[in-house]
This record gives sequence, structure tokens and C-alpha cells, in this order.
Amino acid sequence: EVQLVESGGGLVQPGRSLRLSCTASGFTFGDYAMSWVRQAPGKGLEWVGFIRSKAYGGTTEYAASVKGRFTISRDDSKSIAYLQMNSLKTEDTAVYYCTRALVTAILYYYYYYMDVWGKGTTVTVSS
Amino acid sequence: DIQMTQSPSSLSASVGDRVTITCRASQGISNYLAWFQQKPGKAPKSLIYAASSLQSGVPSKFSGSGSGTDFTLTISSLQPEDFATYYCQQYNSYPHTFGPGTKVDIK
Repeated sequence: EVQLVESGGGLVQPGRSLRLSCTASGFTFGDYAMSWVRQAPGKGLEWVGFIRSKAYGGTTEYAASVKGRFTISRDDSKSIAYLQMNSLKTEDTAVYYCTRALVTAILYYYYYYMDVWGKGTTVTVSS
Repeated sequence: DIQMTQSPSSLSASVGDRVTITCRASQGISNYLAWFQQKPGKAPKSLIYAASSLQSGVPSKFSGSGSGTDFTLTISSLQPEDFATYYCQQYNSYPHTFGPGTKVDIK
């Protein structure tokens, strides 16, 4: 069974850092891109960013709201994707979901869409 | 950034009804559109990708259509388990923006 489990959430003060983990099982982790999506309390979904598989360069993309503060990385040997969150703000308070992303290739362009979601981990940024 | 809008923002429907939700992109996104379902307190579930392709295990009562800027999600016969919030998302360009959601509840 394909499964994603997020961990590492909790209460953190503004300006501090936190690292979330997403542990995958049931599929060959290194073959897939991985995304992070968040949802603030009572709000809609917000795409945070993603990391391509090593076969596609292992590079990352981010939302403007987190670029320069958040970093996505992966350890294919452990089947874990990470979301390192620095300089946290109160508006980063949310449930954070990790997702698996599949790729569609059209000529030299690559389009990534999500299929499997984890259950999420809650991050609360407050003093 | 591409802005996504959805209409209506909420709707009330009865079991057995046919329901259609509309999603519009601020610029053309070809068919790079996905739909998700989220129930209260739960993680979202992927329903559709490429505007009209069902994710594995998703029942055929769900269907999607559209291309360019205008898309629809249709539930052919609403069942109690379908009452949820539905989101569209474009993945044509970064950032991969979501629509604000459409809440479907019981009339």
C-alpha cells in the first residue's frame, strides 16, 4: 500500500525553525517527485513547493510566500522528503501535507500533478 | 501567477442530484488541471488529473471536462459520502495554484 506519513509538527515561536519529514512506503520513492501543500485553519489549500526526482535533476520550486525561508530536500536512501522551515511567521500556522507527484512529459516540458496525500502534520507558530 | 476561481463557492444538493462545479483559470492552462475532494478534518483526496482523467480507484460518477481556461467537475448522482469541499488546481506553471474551493452540503 502506498503511504505517506508526515511528522515533526508542533508549536514554535515566530522567527524559529522547524523541520518536517514525510516518510514514504509502498513505492520506489526515488522515482517520484514530492510536493508539500498546506492549509491554514479554516482556509483553503496552498501549494508550498516540490522537489523533482534525481532523474529530473532533483531541483525544487517554491511558492513566493515561502521562497527563501523554506527548503525542500529528499533522502532517497531513507524514502523521506523534508520541509525545512526557517524564520517562521504566524501566518505559516497550518496543517502541512506531503504528496507524491507524477510527471507528464510533453516534448521538453514536464508537468507534475499530485496523486497520493499524507494525513498531514500541524504546525502552530505562536509566541 | 495564474489565479483560479471556482463557482459556486457553496451549494446545497440532495442525494441523487447531478452536481456541476466550475473552475476558471486567469490564463490558458491547456488541460493541466486537477480536482481534489476534502472532507472535514481529513486530508484531501485526488480525484482527477489532466482535466478529465480519473485517478486510480475514483468512481466513474465523477467526471471532469474542459481545456484552456474553463473547466467543470460533475458528480452524476450525489451520494452521502460525496458531501465535501472540492478544489481545483492548475499545474501548468509555477506556483501550482488552487481554487478557493466549493463546499457541497446537504439540502
